[in-house]
Amino acid sequence: DVKVTQSSRYLVKRTGEKVFLECVQDMDHENMFWYRQDPGLGLRLIYFSYDVKMKEKGDIPEGYSVSREKKERFSLILESASTNQTSMYLCASTPHDRADIQYFGAGTRLSVL
Amino acid sequence: EDKVVQSPLSLVVHEGDTVTLNCSYEVTNFRSLLWYKQEKKAPTFLFMLTSSGIEKKSGRLSSILDKKELFSILNITATQTGDSAIYLCAVCGSEKLVFGKGMKLTVNP
Repeated sequence: DVKVTQSSRYLVKRTGEKVFLECVQDMDHENMFWYRQDPGLGLRLIYFSYDVKMKEKGDIPEGYSVSREKKERFSLILESASTNQTSMYLCASTPHDRADIQYFGAGTRLSVL
Repeated sequence: EDKVVQSPLSLVVHEGDTVTLNCSYEVTNFRSLLWYKQEKKAPTFLFMLTSSGIEKKSGRLSSILDKKELFSILNITATQTGDSAIYLCAVCGSEKLVFGKGMKLTVNP
């Protein structure tokens, strides 16, 4: 079974803090994705990566950056957290030849106070 | 701009009812349409549809795609309380998935 693990289920941070959300997958997948999920807005793509050290902006990259130093790990970084980044963050992965059947982590619920 | 619209956005039914969830889309370079179920945590994959008119079935759930009219439906028959969840429709275009807003289904005993 594919396993996508997000390091924290719940996180509380203060405005202005630098926040790291970590995601690790164990299936040697090339593609990894970060989404945020908000009521009434659904899942929105923040960033994705096709390979180590590669990254592409999604639909809402502002205020975020990412890091992919190793194939299995994809980190989402909030350089200076703001209250409007309070959300559920979901990581997903797929093999290189497809982007459709995505395997999701359990999510990190981030609250920025 | 790629777009996926789900309707209704929420539904409350009683156990045993049949429900139909709708998903319409506008996507360039359509590759596939997917349905996911999300309970308390990670969305889990239900169906992937690529061809028009071919029904996919799994137990009480079934789904069909109409590529001419650009929509899909997900049917759940004889609903159970365990079907309560958010159902997500997503369409795969060139290189990523575009999700609808999700549909919250509540099945009351």
